[in-house]
Amino acid sequence: DTGVSQNPRHKITKRGQNVTFRCDPISEHNRLYWYRQTLGQGPEFLTYFQNEAQLEKSRLLSDRFSAERPKGSFSTLEIQRTEQGDSAMYLCASSYGTASRETQYFGPGTRLLVL
Amino acid sequence: AQSVTQPDIHITVSEGASLELRCNYSYGATPYLFWYVQSPGQGLQLLLKYFSGDTLVQGIKGFEAEFKRSQSSFNLRKPSVHWSDAAEYFCAGSSNTGKLIFGQGTTLQVKP
Repeated sequence: DTGVSQNPRHKITKRGQNVTFRCDPISEHNRLYWYRQTLGQGPEFLTYFQNEAQLEKSRLLSDRFSAERPKGSFSTLEIQRTEQGDSAMYLCASSYGTASRETQYFGPGTRLLVL
Repeated sequence: AQSVTQPDIHITVSEGASLELRCNYSYGATPYLFWYVQSPGQGLQLLLKYFSGDTLVQGIKGFEAEFKRSQSSFNLRKPSVHWSDAAEYFCAGSSNTGKLIFGQGTTLQVKP
């Protein structure tokens, strides 16, 4: 069990560019979550998948954000036309089991800086 | 609306002293509650969780938390703090869809 991995760990981009982040969950975990954490705040929920189905999206997830989880394995989070307000840590977590009682295991995060 | 509140943004304790970090929740029903710790540059690590049953929950690294329904609280405690405990601590509640709702976090500083 290698844990949840995220790539890249850091990303610096210019405003208006597109960026894509990848999350590899713990193998056989059927649920995958994305959160965003800004400086001095707790993580905020963005979206989650059960297997390949995206079941919930936060209002924080504007039309510029899209997430996929093809084949129910790894997931990608893409931000189009980045804005300075997108600068944050993007965290991925995975879990297995009944929704509310599950333990989510977090990856190290991808820190995005938009210049 | 569901919410989790951590009233203390920053706490400083001396090494060897006891610690209590506060967490209050607002949910329609009793939520499932968690405490996570985040060290600089690291992801979130689960310390402990409460689902039901015994209201005093034991976790890793010598931490424990007590669920008090009457006070809507789930405070984290440790009898003797070590310098390595300096980190940011997050309380979170789980909705029925599994998504976590986090508090703002409490930064713990440990004085030698």
